[in-house]
Amino acid sequence: DTAVSQTPKYLVTQMGNDKSIKCEQNLGHDTMYWYKQDSKKFLKIMFSYNNKELIINETVPNRFSPKSPDKAHLNLHINSLELGDSAVYFCASSQRGVGRATGELFFGEGSRLTVL
Amino acid sequence: AQSVTQLGSHVSVSEGALVLLRCNYSSSVPPYLFWYVQYPNQGLQLLLKYTTGATLVKGINGFEAEFKKSETSFHLTKPSAHMSDAAEYFCAVTPSSGNYQLIWGAGTKLIIKP
Repeated sequence: DTAVSQTPKYLVTQMGNDKSIKCEQNLGHDTMYWYKQDSKKFLKIMFSYNNKELIINETVPNRFSPKSPDKAHLNLHINSLELGDSAVYFCASSQRGVGRATGELFFGEGSRLTVL
Repeated sequence: AQSVTQLGSHVSVSEGALVLLRCNYSSSVPPYLFWYVQYPNQGLQLLLKYTTGATLVKGINGFEAEFKKSETSFHLTKPSAHMSDAAEYFCAVTPSSGNYQLIWGAGTKLIIKP
């Protein structure tokens, strides 16, 4: 059983289109994340939800909208796609501990978005 | 602001040679420290972590790292490289305050020469 699964694995689309990526975790974790990894492998956190509540909302264009229907799911919708949105998007989950014990993240395999 | 620096975007070693990947951090208090590995076309997975206690920590696949407070370093080592170790390696820390989200290094690509 895959612990953190995201779909689709690949998206190829035209500029201006809208797309969604779905993520599910079966680890019983209470915190989920979206990360963006660019072509140079740099990781940037975009959003984080804890028990369906948005707790991190980094400087991301408002064309990106996360939604967490329950603590096992976190989806990402992107409107009006731009060339610069091309990247690999990773979903991750963790169990939020007390204080700093939140560093152990479990990642999905990524969704590679290509905007033409 | 806290930061993580990984020295060398690419490190190349011969199969069987020592692997050393460097990570330095800036933090006013000892952070929690992590190494993650990303194999080609996969997500990241935790290799090892330091929170408290013994400063030499062992991880999966024969890797280990030593926390050196005086040097603000957490270098990753493996005595003998294997072809399967070829991957991207990320060092990360949790900050001493705030929302405790990970601060990531830029990554180091480990290349293994046959």
